[in-house]
Amino acid sequence: DAKTTQPNSMESNEEEPVHLPCNHSTISGTDYIHWYRQLPSQGPEYVIHGLTSNVNNRMASLAIAEDRKSSTLILHRATLRDAAVYYCILSKDNFNKFYFGSGTKLNVKP
Amino acid sequence: DAGVIQSPRHEVTEMGQEVTLRCKPISGHNSLFWYRQTMMRGLELLIYFNNNVPIDDSGMPEDRFSAKMPNASFSTLKIQPSEPRDSAVYFCASSLKGQPKFGAGTRLSVL
Repeated sequence: DAKTTQPNSMESNEEEPVHLPCNHSTISGTDYIHWYRQLPSQGPEYVIHGLTSNVNNRMASLAIAEDRKSSTLILHRATLRDAAVYYCILSKDNFNKFYFGSGTKLNVKP
Repeated sequence: DAGVIQSPRHEVTEMGQEVTLRCKPISGHNSLFWYRQTMMRGLELLIYFNNNVPIDDSGMPEDRFSAKMPNASFSTLKIQPSEPRDSAVYFCASSLKGQPKFGAGTRLSVL
């Protein structure tokens, strides 16, 4: 299975945009890119996913590089409640095998 | 939608005892996953079921671990005998042709 690489931690100021990067240089043509986040003492929750095109939803935006070897999760205005560990995950189109890496711990400062 | 329900939320047991963790998936979901999370190893996929049938148990650490899904609305993860290194948070997740939704987890402490 293709692996992802993320920075261990990032810091942001409240109400500012946050760009969380993910490298996946060995991604295959059928791999979807998913982002989950895990708030303290909770289970992971889905944020967004995409295949080739950039995606937007109410939580975030996902920007996918043209060669698909990297992607960026964009939180447009970080809030204190966005402090969490963010995971970038690749999976085949059946979505049946999700392997979580170490993720990026996002700290949001007031 | 009550979400994925796991019980108990916390379990403290002594080494050598049998431990059973329970999961009720979201109604209508046909895939169920068990994960384990530790500081050292992060989130690990242990096993997943599709339509109540175990599809991939390659992540189950050893024979002390077993998982069953007797029907579409219930699954168990059993550890017998338990060891201190099994201490972790165990998550259950379910899905229907989409991204898995996770329960709140069971925090297991084996003394």
